[in-house]
Amino acid sequence: DADVTQTPRNRITKTGKRIMLECSQTKGHDRMYWYRQDPGLGLRLIYYSFDVKDINKGEISDGYSVSRQAQAKFSLSLESAIPNQTALYFCATSEPDRGNTGELFFGEGSRLTVL
Amino acid sequence: SQKIEQNSEALNIQEGKTATLTCNYTNYSPAYLQWYRQDPGRGPVFLLLIRENEKEKRKERLKVTFDTTLKQSLFHITASQPADSATYLCAFGSSASKIIFGSGTRLSIRP
Repeated sequence: DADVTQTPRNRITKTGKRIMLECSQTKGHDRMYWYRQDPGLGLRLIYYSFDVKDINKGEISDGYSVSRQAQAKFSLSLESAIPNQTALYFCATSEPDRGNTGELFFGEGSRLTVL
Repeated sequence: SQKIEQNSEALNIQEGKTATLTCNYTNYSPAYLQWYRQDPGRGPVFLLLIRENEKEKRKERLKVTFDTTLKQSLFHITASQPADSATYLCAFGSSASKIIFGSGTRLSIRP
């Protein structure tokens, strides 16, 4: 079983619909992240959370919201999806080390298409 | 603005040769660098970490260098194999939250 699980893996929706992408992890890590990947743009950070009570905006948070329901669960919501939110979304986890250089453990991705 | 550039979108080399991928950064002072491998339809997988005070790191057939003067990292795969074909991402970080990814280099190793 995957350590970082994302659902759904694929989703097609229409403009204006509310969408939730879910992430759960069994690694026991406190830190969780949502990234977006677009061709030619690399991975961009949307939101991150260092523990259940901590939520922070990343580079491109507009149009997105998150919820950290438990240490193991971190959900990303698009309140009103628009076509330029069509992308591949990744959840990731990490644990802090002495240099704050912890490697990221990624899920398999959720491909979202907004028509 | 801070920028990470992987200077080749795609790289094709012959099996057995050394593949060298380049990653440059501007307007940024990273404390460390990470390299990830990403296969089609999969999430990135961590390969190597190198800190700013380290010049070189090795792991099996992989070698990474970090030159803060040139603002550049080189990633080498020696004795390349077709199974090494994938997209390789570099990522520079100054803290756990401030990690900036490059757009990746798609490496193809032909038999």
